[in-house]
Amino acid sequence: EAGVVQSPRYKIIEKKQPVAFWCNPISGHNTLYWYLQNLGQGPELLIRYENEEAVDDSQLPKDRFSAERLKGVDSTLKIQPAELGDSAVYLCASSLGGGNGYEQYFGPGTRLTVT
Amino acid sequence: KQEVTQIPAALSVPEGENLVLNCSFTDSAIYNLQWFRQDPGKGLTSLLLIQSSQREQTSGRLNASLDKSSGRSTLYIAASQPGDSATYLCAAPSQGGSEKLVFGKGTKLTVNP
Repeated sequence: EAGVVQSPRYKIIEKKQPVAFWCNPISGHNTLYWYLQNLGQGPELLIRYENEEAVDDSQLPKDRFSAERLKGVDSTLKIQPAELGDSAVYLCASSLGGGNGYEQYFGPGTRLTVT
Repeated sequence: KQEVTQIPAALSVPEGENLVLNCSFTDSAIYNLQWFRQDPGKGLTSLLLIQSSQREQTSGRLNASLDKSSGRSTLYIAASQPGDSATYLCAAPSQGGSEKLVFGKGTKLTVNP
């Protein structure tokens, strides 16, 4: 079974440019997460989807970040415009979902460098 | 607000040693806790998910325990190998069975041949 797929794996952009990350979750997983991980830190949740609905986006900086999950499968996370402080690893994860919390499975991440 | 702390931040051991990684959390009203492994430049690999009703979970040489009353979880690695070298992260729900996980900063383990 394929795991969580993310692309690109690496991205280098200049500040003020836009950037987008793509995630394909494990087949059958209804819940999808986007996390931000800074160097030496644990991941922090940006947004969580249940199917196509964003149910927790309280940590998403909405002035520059946006996300979508059309048809409840693939998801895209966008930053526009990027700032130097956005340099980090962006991780996507998925789970079966459910009230008791299911095991989360992570993709390899996208390492963003903003110059 | 849930806070997760992992001690030590780094650990170096000789091959073959048994070791314990510690994780503490402030909100003990959780339904489960998850341990992950992260290799350099890679994503997170799920190791174990412990439900509060289980208190303990085993996978191969790994054993994780959960003590909600004390707000602690431990990951025990038996007969460590160089291939176990990685950063180990624990994550607890922000509250109850929430799917929003709060992560510790991790313990960087180095197993020397």
